[in-house]
Amino acid sequence: DQQVKQNSPSLSVQEGRISILNCDYTNSMFDYFLWYKKYPAEGPTFLISISSIKDKNEDGRFTVFLNKSAKHLSLHIVPSQPGDSAVYFCAAHLTGANSKLTFGKGITLSVRP
Amino acid sequence: NAGVTQTPKFQVLKTGQSMTLQCAQDMNHEYMSWYRQDPGMGLRLIHYSVGAGITDQGEVPNGYNVSRSTTEDFPLRLLSAAPSQTSVYFCASSFRQGGSEAFFGQGTRLTVV
Repeated sequence: DQQVKQNSPSLSVQEGRISILNCDYTNSMFDYFLWYKKYPAEGPTFLISISSIKDKNEDGRFTVFLNKSAKHLSLHIVPSQPGDSAVYFCAAHLTGANSKLTFGKGITLSVRP
Repeated sequence: NAGVTQTPKFQVLKTGQSMTLQCAQDMNHEYMSWYRQDPGMGLRLIHYSVGAGITDQGEVPNGYNVSRSTTEDFPLRLLSAAPSQTSVYFCASSFRQGGSEAFFGQGTRLTVV
C-alpha cells in the first residue's frame, strides 16, 4: 500500500507562471515532509521541507503548504523557470525505531519557455 | 567537498554474478541508506543504517546485503544478480533522521542480463 502518492505523473507550465505539484499521504503519523528535485543522470537534491506542526514553509520561489486534515501537501513554484524542469519527489518521514523516508513516485515538471 | 560518492556509475552483470556497490560520505553523517529507482515506482528503500554497526531492512531488501563497519562507508552487495535487479541505485546520507535533508550520490545504473 503506497503511503505517499503523487497521482499526476507530469505537469507542463509556461515560464513565469505558477507550478503546483501535489502530494497525498495516508499515514497521519508522518512528522516531516520533504520535496526533492532530480535532474536526469543525477541524484535527487533536497529542495524544501515542512514539519507536521506547520502549515506553510517558504524559501525563495518555493513554498510548501501542508493540509493535515486532508493529508495533502503541495509545492508551489513562482515564477516557474525553464531550469525548474525536473522530476520532483515528495517524501514523508516517520519518527520511531524504524524511522525512514517514504517517497512518492515523482512528478515530471516541464517549464516551457 | 565530495559529499556522497558512489562507484561505479555504470555496471553490467550477468545473471548469477555478485558485486558490491560502493558508497562513501565525508560529512560525518550517522544515517545512510540505499534506494533503487525504477520507472513509475519512485524511490524505494532497500536497506538503511542509523550508525556504524547498525543496519536494518527497508521496503525491498531481498537479494541485497549491507554492512556498516565505519561511519563513512555503506556498501551494498548483490549476492546473485537477477534481471529484476536492473535499476538505478542511489545511496544517501543525512546528519540525523527526521526533517534533516538527505544528500544523495550520483547513482549507479545497473543492468543484469
